[in-house]
Amino acid sequence: GAVVSQHPSRVICKSGTSVKIECRSLDFQATTMFWYRQFPKQSLMLMATSNEGSKATYEQGVEKDKFLINHASLTLSTLTVTSAHPEDSSFYICSALVGLSGEYFGPGTRLTVT
Amino acid sequence: AQTVTQSQPEMSVQEAETVTLSCTYDTSESDYYLFWYKQPPSRQMILVIRQEAYKQQNATENRFSVNFQKAAKSFSLKISDSQLGDAAMYFCAYRTINSGNTPLVFGKGTRLSVIA
Repeated sequence: GAVVSQHPSRVICKSGTSVKIECRSLDFQATTMFWYRQFPKQSLMLMATSNEGSKATYEQGVEKDKFLINHASLTLSTLTVTSAHPEDSSFYICSALVGLSGEYFGPGTRLTVT
Repeated sequence: AQTVTQSQPEMSVQEAETVTLSCTYDTSESDYYLFWYKQPPSRQMILVIRQEAYKQQNATENRFSVNFQKAAKSFSLKISDSQLGDAAMYFCAYRTINSGNTPLVFGKGTRLSVIA
């Protein structure tokens, strides 16, 4: 099956610094990738839709200047959390779309901002 | 806009027994996809089963099957012969077919515990 990787799996950073999370489709190409945020014991909350070669589409309430998304190739999308603060601590998950019936998820990244 | 409702925040089942997780959705579309995803403690989202709305036959994958009632907009998941490894959060999700790259609409999830 289709495999999506995320790196890093865990990251701890200091308040005010930036951190980049990579999402890669390992054995397929993905025109569209999605970024989600998940709080403990809650469902996935869509942050943005990342389309290769174009600007990401952000969901209402998500600060595009804080959560920078780049989808420069058909196998890589990155999420950069800029000037991170403790409230940005969360579990971030990416996924890649294969046609309409297949969405494959990365293993997630746990971000802790101290 | 489409919505997905999972009315059971938590469920439990004895090992080897059968459990059914409920999911209802709201849409005005006639064609779409429905999914069940499993999220174990590792938090990796795993596709359990998918159903195309235009197919009347209920999807099955080994011990997992769905009861798709299109008119009632219901999409329940039945897990037979439950195993300890089935313990996880289960999310029901909807995707429109009408546009190319729209995201999934998720329910709030049902936490399933399996009792040995």
